Amino acid sequence: GQSLEQPSEVTAVEGAIVQINCTYQTSGFYGLSWYQQHDGGAPTFLSYNALDGLEETGRFSSFLSRSDSYGYLLLQELQMKDSASYFCAVLRDDKIIFGKGTRLHILP
Amino acid sequence: NAGVTQTPKFRVLKTGQSMTLLCAQDMNHEYMYWYRQDPGMGLRLIHYSVGEGTTAKGEVPDGYNVSRLKKQNFLLGLESAAPSQTSVYFCATLMDANTEAFFGQGTRLTVV
Repeated sequence: GQSLEQPSEVTAVEGAIVQINCTYQTSGFYGLSWYQQHDGGAPTFLSYNALDGLEETGRFSSFLSRSDSYGYLLLQELQMKDSASYFCAVLRDDKIIFGKGTRLHILP
Repeated sequence: NAGVTQTPKFRVLKTGQSMTLLCAQDMNHEYMYWYRQDPGMGLRLIHYSVGEGTTAKGEVPDGYNVSRLKKQNFLLGLESAAPSQTSVYFCATLMDANTEAFFGQGTRLTVV
């Protein structure tokens, strides 16, 4: 089947670094995307890895390793506004498939 | 430039009633999707479309129908609403494979 596995919750301290992992059991997809969703809001795009390796966008970085069927989102210098849910996603057979999401809790 | 607009934003239905959710986009994107989001379940794909006049079933299509008569609009219909269809519904659009998806603001539907 096609599935993306993420931890359901992660807790970190303001100013610290946190990594959210995504492992998958699917193949033949274009790349790995990450989306952020605040409570009551819609998902918004964060990052996309078309190729293996690290992509950096400001405080956020994303990594993909197709050989390990693994990716992660790295958030640095955490701020309280980063408290949200984070979803990894792939496009396969014209369908965007999302993981169930990781709820990030940030402690002051 | 509105992006992706969903109508309505909120709705309460009685069991057995019907309704249509509208997703309108002004970005000329080919791909359009309808998802439902329930606590702890992530985003589950209901139906999708890869272009005007085309539709296909997603992961949870039962109880829903869709139509894409015009490229910019993707309609999601509930013919006979059930309490199990209480959820938040999101529409998303995509230009092509290596681009980001854009979401509407969501529709909160309650079926009583």
